[in-house]
Amino acid sequence: DIQMTQSPSSVSASVGDRVTITCRATQGIGSWLAWYQQKPGKAPKLLIYAASSLQSGVPSRFSGSGSGTDFTLTISSLQPEDFATYYCQQTNNFPLTFGPGTKVDIK
Amino acid sequence: EVQLVQSGAEVKKPGESLKISCKGSGYSFTTYWIGWVRQMPGKGLEWMGIIYPGDSDTKYSPSFQGQVTISADKSISTAYLQWNSLRASDTAIYYCARPRSADDDPFDIWGQGTMVTVSS
Repeated sequence: DIQMTQSPSSVSASVGDRVTITCRATQGIGSWLAWYQQKPGKAPKLLIYAASSLQSGVPSRFSGSGSGTDFTLTISSLQPEDFATYYCQQTNNFPLTFGPGTKVDIK
Repeated sequence: EVQLVQSGAEVKKPGESLKISCKGSGYSFTTYWIGWVRQMPGKGLEWMGIIYPGDSDTKYSPSFQGQVTISADKSISTAYLQWNSLRASDTAIYYCARPRSADDDPFDIWGQGTMVTVSS
């Protein structure tokens, strides 16, 4: 299986901050990476697919980049509704493994 | 509206069997894969497997192969996740989800989750 790691595991930030989360795969996955947001008690929500494509309806303050083994999710200006846990997922090889998550909370 | 609606919370004893469901609506159920994702209490997401209701082609994560059975009844647009003998370690929220298109696409439609509690 391809293993995914994320850093940091948690980050404290303020409204308006720029937040960057990193995801790394144990082997190259091209651009086959997705990002999800999950709020407590809710199902995950797809934000980004194919490393940098914004899912329909997702605000443009979210962006993704990277290829191969290293990827980033950036929130350009953190909003109150963005406090959540973020997961990456590789979609290159079965099983489609998720990263361990990064919790973004209020500073 | 495209929706996946899951069955309600379950409380079971170790060794019991269980089948939870996920009903799709608002789209052609037989032409999209349906996957299952586990989330243990306070933990991350785990991809369990996926089924194509049109022909019941199924793919499992090695971690879950033999532990659960994924099935679908296309006549009622419903996918299932089944255990023959539950363990306490099966306690988790289970989500069904639909990929954007292909079996290896990310999930863009999610059910609300089914909480399964296994306790003696």
